Amino acid sequence: NAGVTQTPKFQVLKTGQSMTLQCAQDMNHEYMSWYRQDPGMGLRLIHYSVGAGITDQGEVPNGYNVSRSTTEDFPLRLLSAAPSQTSVYFCASSPRQASYEQYFGPGTRLTVT
Amino acid sequence: SQQGEEDPQALSIQEGENATMNCSYKTSINNLQWYRQNSGRGLVHLILIRSNEREKHSGRLRVTLDTSKKSSSLLITASRAADTASYFCAHLNFGNEKLTFGTGTRLTIIP
Repeated sequence: NAGVTQTPKFQVLKTGQSMTLQCAQDMNHEYMSWYRQDPGMGLRLIHYSVGAGITDQGEVPNGYNVSRSTTEDFPLRLLSAAPSQTSVYFCASSPRQASYEQYFGPGTRLTVT
Repeated sequence: SQQGEEDPQALSIQEGENATMNCSYKTSINNLQWYRQNSGRGLVHLILIRSNEREKHSGRLRVTLDTSKKSSSLLITASRAADTASYFCAHLNFGNEKLTFGTGTRLTIIP
């Protein structure tokens, strides 16, 4: 199993550009989530999904969209990038719910200039 | 914000010593989890303790949970250089599916 994969590893965007961060898992996990990690802030939940077709907002959802059309994939879309979205983004999955241990991807380091 | 807090923010100890880090939270929880993050990598799950448990062990790790004080501690015994990493607690509130992470403790083991 590859586990949780994220692409790209690094990305530089100009303010106002849009892009999609990809996340995929091959463990047939129902629960998937996106976090951003900023220095001194720990991880903050952006969006999460409890199954295909179901998504919900986390703590910091503004500026981001998600969809979950399949169990395997959970892409995160930045609609119009802003410098405040410069961060490291982590995708995670777990078998059924947030109450189970989370499996994290390696992260995407995004810089918005 | 309901983000948890951890202390200390940073901790340096000699190899072989024990390391203790603490985590506090503000709400009623379903469970609390601890994760490790090596520099530049994703987080790795270490241990999960449920709200009705008070202590749990896994190898050199010991976790305690005091729901009356809304706090947890992670003890790493006989530390090794490979334990150098950041450690995060994460709690799950009752009634929702949002895992909330603390701000982390950066642990450095000096050989």
